[in-house]
Amino acid sequence: DIQMTQSPSSLSASVGDRVTITCRASQSISTYLHWYQQKPGKAPKLLIYAASGLQSGVPSRFSGSGSGTDFTLTISSLQPEDFATYYCQQSYSTPPTFGGGTKVEIK
Amino acid sequence: EVQLVESGGGLVQPGGSLRLSCAASGFTFSSYDMHWVRQTTGKGLEWVSTIGTAGDTYYPGSVKGRFTISRENAKNSLYLQMNSLRAEDTAVFFCAAGPRRGGLAFWGQGTLVTVSS
Repeated sequence: DIQMTQSPSSLSASVGDRVTITCRASQSISTYLHWYQQKPGKAPKLLIYAASGLQSGVPSRFSGSGSGTDFTLTISSLQPEDFATYYCQQSYSTPPTFGGGTKVEIK
Repeated sequence: EVQLVESGGGLVQPGGSLRLSCAASGFTFSSYDMHWVRQTTGKGLEWVSTIGTAGDTYYPGSVKGRFTISRENAKNSLYLQMNSLRAEDTAVFFCAAGPRRGGLAFWGQGTLVTVSS
């Protein structure tokens, strides 16, 4: 199985900050990498698909980049509604696997 | 509006069975691969099964032979039959829709399954 490692596992940031979360795959996954946002008690929400595609309805302050084994999710200017946990997921091979999550907290 | 609504969760004893359902609306159900994903506090998000538009099915080793995914396109419904349940199957189970090799665009609200004596 492909292991997905996210870093950091948590971070504290202020409104307006630029935030970067990284995800590393244990082997090359091309661009079969997706990012989700999850708030407490809610389902994950797809933000970025195929490493850099912005899902419909998602604000443009969210962006993704990377290919192969190293990927990045960037929030250009953190908003109050962005405090949540973020997960990456690979769909290059079965089983699809998720990263352990990055919790973004208010500083 | 896209909606996925899970039902069927609850408390079950180890070794028991449970059938989850997911009712879909607001999109062309038959055109989407459908998935079950579970979440625990300790293990995070874990893929449980996928059924393709052609009825092809996929499972991880942890549930293969115990869980069966199925779909009924005429009823816009997805199912997960879970047998021989174990304590480690305790989780919130989500149904989701999206390409098998793409992002999961639609998610239900989840249903809690607790396996305990």
